[in-house]
Amino acid sequence: EDQVTQSPEALRLQEGESSSLNCSYTVSGLRGLFWYRQDPGKGPEFLFTLYSAGEEKEKERLKATLTKKESFLHITAPKPEDSATYLCAVQATETPLVFGKGTRLSVIA
Amino acid sequence: DGGITQSPKYLFRKEGQNVTLSCEQNLNHDAMYWYRQDPGQGLRLIYYSQIVNDFQKGDIAEGYSVSREKKESFPLTVTSAQKNPTAFYLCASSSPGLAGEQYFGPGTRLTVT
Repeated sequence: EDQVTQSPEALRLQEGESSSLNCSYTVSGLRGLFWYRQDPGKGPEFLFTLYSAGEEKEKERLKATLTKKESFLHITAPKPEDSATYLCAVQATETPLVFGKGTRLSVIA
Repeated sequence: DGGITQSPKYLFRKEGQNVTLSCEQNLNHDAMYWYRQDPGQGLRLIYYSQIVNDFQKGDIAEGYSVSREKKESFPLTVTSAQKNPTAFYLCASSSPGLAGEQYFGPGTRLTVT
């Protein structure tokens, strides 16, 4: 069974304090790993797709990386507007996405 | 502007009543999905449809039903058989070959008392 585990469940950072969120996965035949951002009471917003180990993607203060067993979402010098829940999802070949429970990030000014 | 609309944003029902949640998209996407999200939980797949007039059960389909008569519409009915219907319901869509890059609607929060 495909599984996705995200850690930590919650993370509180001071503005400018860089950190990383983790997404560990077990899947047969990874087709892709996906990161989403979700603001309270809203639908998730797609951020990144990673297809193979060693791949990296960047967007503003966020950088996503992928190994054979996990993915990291690095947040550099975060700002309060980066506060959100970050969701990781994996897709095995020809199957729907499996989501993790998310990491709730709070960035304090 | 292209996007996904869900209505209503908040919905209240009495126990034992069926209720239908609306989902419409104008992105010309073939695939559409329904997810349920409970507090502190990730998204769990209820049903998905990859083409008009066809749909498949997800991980938690019991107590729910769907139809896909039009490409742009994918309504979800929460039946009285669903034991714990109170939740946040999210609809999404995606292009062919990009099933992981999903566009989500704003969600409907259903409360059943």
